Amino acid sequence: LAKTTQPISMDSYEGQEVNITCSHNNIATNDYITWYQQFPSQGPRFIIQGYKTKVTNEVASLFIPADRKSSTLSLPRVSLSDTAVYYCLVGDRPPGGYQKVTFGIGTKLQVIP
Amino acid sequence: NAGVTQTPKFRVLKTGQSMTLLCAQDMNHEYMYWYRQDPGMGLRLIHYSVGEGTTAKGEVPDGYNVSRLKKQNFLLGLESAAPSQTSVYFCASSRDSGGSPLHFGNGTRLTVT
Repeated sequence: LAKTTQPISMDSYEGQEVNITCSHNNIATNDYITWYQQFPSQGPRFIIQGYKTKVTNEVASLFIPADRKSSTLSLPRVSLSDTAVYYCLVGDRPPGGYQKVTFGIGTKLQVIP
Repeated sequence: NAGVTQTPKFRVLKTGQSMTLLCAQDMNHEYMYWYRQDPGMGLRLIHYSVGEGTTAKGEVPDGYNVSRLKKQNFLLGLESAAPSQTSVYFCASSRDSGGSPLHFGNGTRLTVT
């Protein structure tokens, strides 16, 4: 199983770019890297997924170096509404999948006015 | 399009009582999952299903049973509730396993006294 390590908490001021790094040293060839966001009293919500290099969508960017042993979620110009817990997951294709994926405690991002 | 719907949202049980949590998804997803979330422990997988009529144990299955009689529904049962089962329960679904993102419901907060 690919274990992930990410900071427990981060603070950022509004308008700044936030980068959250996740380490996954034993990532397997078939593993994808997925990030989720969770607000209080809600279930986690998918943000972005990637396999290698860089992926960008309307919410965030995901940077994955060539060795894939880490990944960085980048949130541009955060606002107070980005205050949430962010989870980094590593999971493989069938027959593996989410049944073998562990959610850690995530990174609690606090955006400060 | 409702996504993943969990009922009830809140419940208080006495030790030894039983109850069933219902999860319904309208996305025609094959995979469904039940997680529990406790402070400081992230989300832990209880049981999962890879298709109608199938179920399997996750990381913390003891004290719980599940059924997937219809593709769109995944039921989580507690036969004899214990205070240790006080938690927030999340249901999730995915189109397939590791490659597609998880879609979560908004949780059921269960308190066992």
